[in-house]
Amino acid sequence: DAKTTQPPSMDCAEGRAANLPCNHSTISGNEYVYWYRQIHSQGPQYIIHGLKNNETNEMASLIITEDRKSSTLILPHATLRDTAVYYCIVRVLTTSGTYKYIFGTGTRLKVLA
Amino acid sequence: EAQVTQNPRYLITVTGKKLTVTCSQNMNHEYMSWYRQDPGLGLRQIYYSMNVEVTDKGDVPEGYKVSRKEKRNFPLILESPSPNQTSLYFCASSYPGGTIYFGEGSWLTVV
Repeated sequence: DAKTTQPPSMDCAEGRAANLPCNHSTISGNEYVYWYRQIHSQGPQYIIHGLKNNETNEMASLIITEDRKSSTLILPHATLRDTAVYYCIVRVLTTSGTYKYIFGTGTRLKVLA
Repeated sequence: EAQVTQNPRYLITVTGKKLTVTCSQNMNHEYMSWYRQDPGLGLRQIYYSMNVEVTDKGDVPEGYKVSRKEKRNFPLILESPSPNQTSLYFCASSYPGGTIYFGEGSWLTVV
């Protein structure tokens, strides 16, 4: 199965861009990368996802390397409310034809005032 | 409003006393799943279901059962809870391969 590796923690100054890396070197060609975040112990919230191309939405940008072995989530102007644990997730298609979402252990982002 | 609703949100129970954590979604999603979250281990999948009457084991299914008799409901059953099942549990749903929606979590303590 694909596996994701993330740094356990990062700090970012308020108003600056937060760049959160994820390594998924074993990803296959049809496996999507998703990013979620979890604030305290609430249910994880969807941020963005992508397959090959870079993606942007109102929350963040996702940059996926050409070889797809890694990606970076960018929060362009981090605020204190962005302090959370960020999960990089790979969605894989199993041999039985079902989808499985593989979570990494996440990066704890702390935005500093 | 799109929702995944879990009950109970907080429960303390004793070893061996069967319990059920309910999960319901109002988005007509085919895919539903259960995760547990423990310190330092992130989210681990317990069971998932691709549709009614179709369930499959995740990474940590031991000690749990599930059923999917209706599309909207996916209860998690602990037939004989043990202290190592003390955890924070999340139910989730999505269209196949789509964005996952998570419930707010259920804190379970087994003493």
